Amino acid sequence: DAGVIQSPRHEVTEMGQEVTLRCKPISGHDYLFWYRQTMMRGLELLIYFNNNVPIDDSGMPEDRFSAKMPNASFSTLKIQPSEPRDSAVYFCASSREGNQPQHFGDGTRLSIL
Amino acid sequence: GDSVTQMEGPVTLSEEAFLTINCTYTATGYPSLFWYVQYPGEGLQLLLKATKADDKGSNKGFEATYRKETTSFHLEKGSVQVSDSAVYFCALSDPRTYKYIFGTGTRLKVLA
Repeated sequence: DAGVIQSPRHEVTEMGQEVTLRCKPISGHDYLFWYRQTMMRGLELLIYFNNNVPIDDSGMPEDRFSAKMPNASFSTLKIQPSEPRDSAVYFCASSREGNQPQHFGDGTRLSIL
Repeated sequence: GDSVTQMEGPVTLSEEAFLTINCTYTATGYPSLFWYVQYPGEGLQLLLKATKADDKGSNKGFEATYRKETTSFHLEKGSVQVSDSAVYFCALSDPRTYKYIFGTGTRLKVLA
């Protein structure tokens, strides 16, 4: 089975630009999670979905961040406008059920200049 | 709130040495516990898990036992290889919300 697929793998853009990160979860997985990883703060959960519905977005840092899951096989994380402090590696993960292990994608390394 | 504490790294060992990476947790309920491994440029991969007290998770020579009395889930391996060099994350899963809490990660470097 294919794992969690994220795109792009790397993104470099200038401050103020809109950034869209994409994720395709493992087929049949009902839960999808977005994380951010930085040296200073480690791994932080931003938001998670169950059956395409956002359940908890308390980790989203501010209104510049938004996430959607229009169907079971696709999710986006959008930052608008982007700032240098948003530079990080963003991971998407999915699980079959809430109490099952999460499977991670390879991440998107985002650099905001 | 719930939390996970891991030993600071980096940990540097010679090949075939014994490995222990300490992990303790605080939780109000009965969480599931996990160890994940991250190789450079990759996402986290599940290494092993335990879902209740006294469970032992094991995989690829790694082991960890869910100790409720000491709230610990230490990772061990009897003989490390150079290929085990990576960052190891301890995590707990809140059984009510399914949210993961990760430790800060411990970098392991194994020298030939």
